[in-house]
Amino acid sequence: DTGVSQDPRHKITKRGQNVTFRCDPISEHNRLYWYRQTLGQGPEFLTYFQNEAQLEKSRLLSDRFSAERPKGSFSTLEIQRTEQGDSAMYLCASSSTEQFFGPGTRLTVL
Amino acid sequence: AQSVAQPEDQVNVAEGNPLTVKCTYSVSGNPYLFWYVQYPNRGLQFLLKYITGDNLVKGSYGFEAEFNKSQTSFHLKKPSALVSDSALYFCAVRDMDSSYKLIFGSGTRLLVRP
Repeated sequence: DTGVSQDPRHKITKRGQNVTFRCDPISEHNRLYWYRQTLGQGPEFLTYFQNEAQLEKSRLLSDRFSAERPKGSFSTLEIQRTEQGDSAMYLCASSSTEQFFGPGTRLTVL
Repeated sequence: AQSVAQPEDQVNVAEGNPLTVKCTYSVSGNPYLFWYVQYPNRGLQFLLKYITGDNLVKGSYGFEAEFNKSQTSFHLKKPSALVSDSALYFCAVRDMDSSYKLIFGSGTRLLVRP
């Protein structure tokens, strides 16, 4: 499968724990995006990478959130000291002309 | 700032009937517009896009969209709905800064009844 993949698909954690998600983009795409989607809403932009450089971060991305894309390949999104309000679907997308999305990681914070 | 609006939370249509899912946009400059579909517990699948050219854009699964500059609309259409078209549909506009991030509407749930 040459699409965007994300791991894990589901994550349940307790408040205060740290979590890390991984995204593997389509190999020839140099642009990579993270979005967050809460129930009943459209996805909201979190951050953007061009190759390994993180070029834009949303104000939604508090200091508890950090994202990396070492060597311009896969990307990780880490949330430290999770809060119940972090519960959402986290979507990764990569693009050449249009954005192709992965299946998402659904995070539940208890 | 760029934005899109989807005025209907839900659209109900009978199988075999035509369907329309509405989207209006607000942008500075020429818009780059997209439609995506989302099935339960899945990511978003690209349906079609408008960049420039013909106002009627054809996409995947028999969907098409009509760009109307005077009404600032980009409605999604299909001549004959299928039960399997039931899903959540999102309209989006590309931000015109260097990131090209997408700005999504709130989504419209399409329910096609047999």
